[in-house]
Amino acid sequence: NAGVTQTPKFQVLKTGQSMTLQCAQDMNHEYMSWYRQDPGMGLRLIHYSVGAGITDQGEVPNGYNVSRSTTEDFPLRLLSAAPSQTSVYFCASSYRGLMYNEQFFGPGTRLTVL
Amino acid sequence: SQQGEEDPQALSIQEGENATMNCSYKTSINNLQWYRQNSGRGLVHLILIRSNEREKHSGRLRVTLDTSKKSSSLLITASRAADTASYFCATDGGSNYKLTFGKGTLLTVNP
Repeated sequence: NAGVTQTPKFQVLKTGQSMTLQCAQDMNHEYMSWYRQDPGMGLRLIHYSVGAGITDQGEVPNGYNVSRSTTEDFPLRLLSAAPSQTSVYFCASSYRGLMYNEQFFGPGTRLTVL
Repeated sequence: SQQGEEDPQALSIQEGENATMNCSYKTSINNLQWYRQNSGRGLVHLILIRSNEREKHSGRLRVTLDTSKKSSSLLITASRAADTASYFCATDGGSNYKLTFGKGTLLTVNP
């Protein structure tokens, strides 16, 4: 199993550009999520999904869109990048929800917006 | 808003010593989880403790939970240089879908 994979590992954007961060998991997990991590901060939840076709907002959803067309993939779209979105982005998955299940994290995407 | 807050923010110890990190949270929870993050890497799950559990062990890790004080502690015994990492607690705030992380404790184990 590859676990949770993310691409790209690094990305530099100019303000106003759009891009999609890719996330995939091969563990047949129902729950997937996106976090951002800023210096000195813990992870903050952006969006999550409890299954194909079902997504919901987390703590900091503004400026980001998600969709979940398959169980395996959960892409994160930046519609019009802003310097405030400079961060490290982590995708994670778990079997079913978080109540008694651990999350498996991807290696992260380091994004810089100029 | 940060649900869990770790203390201390940074901890430096010698190899072989024990390391204790604390986590405080604000609302009732179903479970509390601890994660480790090595520099520049993703988070790795260490241990999950349910709200009706008071203590849990996994190898050199010991986690306690006091729901009356809304606090948890992570003890790493006989630390090794490889334990150098940031440690985060995460709580579900009663939700099955939203996990809130603290800012973490940076542990440095000196050889």
